[in-house]
Amino acid sequence: QSVLTQPPSVSGAPGQRVTISCTGSSSNIGAGYDVQWYQQLPGTAPKVLIYGNNNRPSGVPDRFSGSKSGASASLAITGLQADDEAVYYCQSYDSSLRYVFGIGTKVTVL
Amino acid sequence: QVQVVESGGGVVQPGRSLRLSCAASGFPFTTYPMHWVRQAPGKGLEWVAIISYDGSNKYYADSVKGRFSISRDNSKNTLYLQMNSLRAEDTAIYYCARGVVVVAAAPGWFDPWGQGTLVTVSS
Repeated sequence: QSVLTQPPSVSGAPGQRVTISCTGSSSNIGAGYDVQWYQQLPGTAPKVLIYGNNNRPSGVPDRFSGSKSGASASLAITGLQADDEAVYYCQSYDSSLRYVFGIGTKVTVL
Repeated sequence: QVQVVESGGGVVQPGRSLRLSCAASGFPFTTYPMHWVRQAPGKGLEWVAIISYDGSNKYYADSVKGRFSISRDNSKNTLYLQMNSLRAEDTAIYYCARGVVVVAAAPGWFDPWGQGTLVTVSS
């Protein structure tokens, strides 16, 4: 059981918008710690998609966006594409456990 | 380019030891904290340990505290993870990741990640 709660899966048709939620608590996201999002394509290492709640590294398309409110955060993917099929992890910092991840959300493009 | 490359994984019996290495290149290794993160087969990501840029501070996940030891050799741009008293539940891909911090004392994030090295603990 992860400290950060994510839905196990979400799906959408090509071109649609999907969102992934990440719910924490007062000891992590709610304490003001930043949220990051990582994309893990099949058989590869994770890659940072969003850092500092809503910042994209260079090279990440602006179809990906992050937001944070209170003890929760969200990742939105607009214009869903086939190669967006991957597992997406949220990550933050916890005052007791240090670095924590969500369980991961598998995105399926229908 | 900025990259980290892990090595040292393999099959080991329960109770035995193994040391992983991570060679860094393309960035000033001596100025960055470094992490180990693992992923059990078919499971999610679990942070394992962090070491400060100069090796003076080290922190561990409760699941490995007292058994694993993180270290670094800044003269060789190399990170290590010494794993002792290995258990079946330590079976995982172990990733090395650079810690990125833009605000002093902030936790930061992981970027980049290596390709990982598989550790299998089995008799």
